[in-house]
Amino acid sequence: GENVEQHPSTLSVQEGDSAVIKCTYSDSASNYFPWYKQELGKGPQLIIDIRSNVGEKKDQRIAVTLNKTAKHFSLHITETQPEDSAVYFCAASTGSGTYKYIFGTGTRLKVLA
Amino acid sequence: GAVVSQHPSWVICKSGTSVKIECRSLDFQATTMFWYRQFPKQSLMLMATSNEGSKATYEQGVEKDKFLINHASLTLSTLTVTSAHPEDSSFYICSAPMGGGNEQFFGPGTRLTVL
Repeated sequence: GENVEQHPSTLSVQEGDSAVIKCTYSDSASNYFPWYKQELGKGPQLIIDIRSNVGEKKDQRIAVTLNKTAKHFSLHITETQPEDSAVYFCAASTGSGTYKYIFGTGTRLKVLA
Repeated sequence: GAVVSQHPSWVICKSGTSVKIECRSLDFQATTMFWYRQFPKQSLMLMATSNEGSKATYEQGVEKDKFLINHASLTLSTLTVTSAHPEDSSFYICSAPMGGGNEQFFGPGTRLTVL
């Protein structure tokens, strides 16, 4: 079945450095790729998303890139801050038109002050 | 952005009892809502799709008789965990898409602990 692989599972960076999280999806019909930030004990919060007709999208310190041919998409966070510390999940739409997502396994990001 | 609420935020119950969790879209209507379960340090696993006015669609391996879903209105879906057991202890999260796009908005989650 369809799946989404996410790497790394944990990531520690110094404050001010950049962080990159990568995901690979398997469903060729996937056309929507959101990224969520989840803090302990809370629900996921959408931080950025990208659609299959776009290769890159940026929102202040956060950017997402998509390579449809390779079925890869990545999250880039620049100038990291301690408050960026959280678990980040990528997701891919199933392509069935029902808004269903398949989530990656998550990346625990720690930003060291 | 759109707001999705859940109630209660946490619940502790005895084994064998049933627990109802509510998911509400506060400022938009949702004909479809999704229920996820998340175990500690794991990803979100889709349990079922809640459909307003029709039966829910369950993912493979999810017992429909144990996890009862009712989409009572365009702003409310409920998940009832029947005859709860300790292994049902988990973080339950709902989500709802808004508009014609793919974007989903997630609720804050409900922590269920079964003793």
